[in-house]
Amino acid sequence: EPEVTQTPSHQVTQMGQEVILRCVPISNHLYFYWYRQILGQKVEFLVSFYNNEISEKSEIFDDQFSVERPDGSNFTLKIRSTKLEDSAMYFCASNPGTGDHQPQHFGDGTRLSIL
Amino acid sequence: DQQVKQNSPSLSVQEGRISILNCDYTNSMFDYFLWYKKYPAEGPTFLISISSIKDKNEDGRFTVFLNKSAKHLSLHIVPSQPGDSAVYFCAASARRAGKSTFGDGTTLTVKP
Repeated sequence: EPEVTQTPSHQVTQMGQEVILRCVPISNHLYFYWYRQILGQKVEFLVSFYNNEISEKSEIFDDQFSVERPDGSNFTLKIRSTKLEDSAMYFCASNPGTGDHQPQHFGDGTRLSIL
Repeated sequence: DQQVKQNSPSLSVQEGRISILNCDYTNSMFDYFLWYKKYPAEGPTFLISISSIKDKNEDGRFTVFLNKSAKHLSLHIVPSQPGDSAVYFCAASARRAGKSTFGDGTTLTVKP
């Protein structure tokens, strides 16, 4: 069964540094998402992406965050100047986006640790 | 503003018995509801969903019930198996391919 894959599985970065988290969504899916889960908290929506542009974003997704689909297969989340509070699991998801409601399929996440 | 709530952080049941996980929501615009299962160090795995036009959806051992007037849904697992032990998240969305709003999760432990 097709899967969403995320790399790296664990990223350790110094505070203030830029980090790029990478995702390969399921190939025929049209919608892509980033979520995060801070330790002990709920899974929170960050941003959704469709047709090469952001379709929705949360208040968490401020100017330090950006997303890109650089080559038609990868979907990246960039955090420009990381803060301690950015430490979390970051999950990428994709959705077929066709027909009726369908579930999002999630990758196994990237654990981001900011030192 | 917690739009999706799972009030039970944990649930423990005996193997072979029924597990019932509950979820409440406040946003009347939600029209699609999902349950995800999550193991440590893995992403959420889709389990079962229900559209707001239905009140029940069944898939093998898993059944989801939706009570729109009460803004409540539940997941029934019958019979429960030790491999079902995981964190279960309720989620909801308000439009096709829209963002999902998650509850806090319920940790289910099924004892052999």
